[in-house]
Amino acid sequence: DVVMTQSPLSLPVTLGQPASISCRSSQGLIHTDGNTYLNWFQQRPGQSPRRLIYKVSDRDSGVPDRFSGSGSGTGFTLKISRVEAEDVGVYYCMQATHWPFTFGPGTEVDFK
Amino acid sequence: EMQLVESGGGLVQPGGSLRLSCAASGFSFSSYWMNWVRQAPGKGLKWVATIKEDGSEKYYVDSVKGRFTISRDNAKNSLYLQMNSLRAEDTAVYYCVRGSENWGQGTLVTVSS
Repeated sequence: DVVMTQSPLSLPVTLGQPASISCRSSQGLIHTDGNTYLNWFQQRPGQSPRRLIYKVSDRDSGVPDRFSGSGSGTGFTLKISRVEAEDVGVYYCMQATHWPFTFGPGTEVDFK
Repeated sequence: EMQLVESGGGLVQPGGSLRLSCAASGFSFSSYWMNWVRQAPGKGLKWVATIKEDGSEKYYVDSVKGRFTISRDNAKNSLYLQMNSLRAEDTAVYYCVRGSENWGQGTLVTVSS
C-alpha cells in the first residue's frame, strides 16, 4: 500500500498569517491516465470531511482561494495564505492513484 | 441539492453482522463510483471499499476482504455495505462518499460485547 505521511502533525497558527502542510507519498502518484490523484481534505470538529483540493492543485467549488495545493512526484503541499478562524480542524492528504486509496495521518490546525 | 444519507449503524457483538445503507439524491447516482470510508473514534480516515458505477468492479482494503461486501441498487439510488464477522477494530463512523468529493454525515458502528 502507498504510505502517506504529513508534517507537521500539529500546526499552531496565527490569525491572518500563512500556514503550510507537507505531504509525502511512498510511491509516485502519477496514474496511467497521466493525472496525479492527490487530494486534500478539511475536517472541522464534529463534521464530515470536506474535499478542498483535487488532482494536486484544483480547488473544489466554494473553497476560498486562500487555499492552494502544489507538488509533484512524491511531495505535495497545502498552503493557506491567510488563516481565518473557520480554518481550525484536521487536514488530510489522500492519494487516489493506487488502490487501496490511502490517507495521511492528519495535521491538526489550531490557534496558538 | 445533492445528499447522501447513511443509516443502519448501531451496537453489535463481536462476530455479528450489520448492513449499512446510503440513500443518494440530487444527482445521477448510476453515473458515479461510490465508496465507503471509515473513521475510528478519535482517529484518522481509512478507505474501506469502492464500487464502479454499474457494480461490475469492487475493491476492498485488505482488513475487510472476505468479511465486507459493497453493493448498489441504481434503481433505488442506494449504496450498501454488508459487514459480517465484525471485530472490535471495525468500530468507527462509516461515511458514504461519492467519488472523493461528497460525503454523507456518517453512521456509527460499535462492535462490543
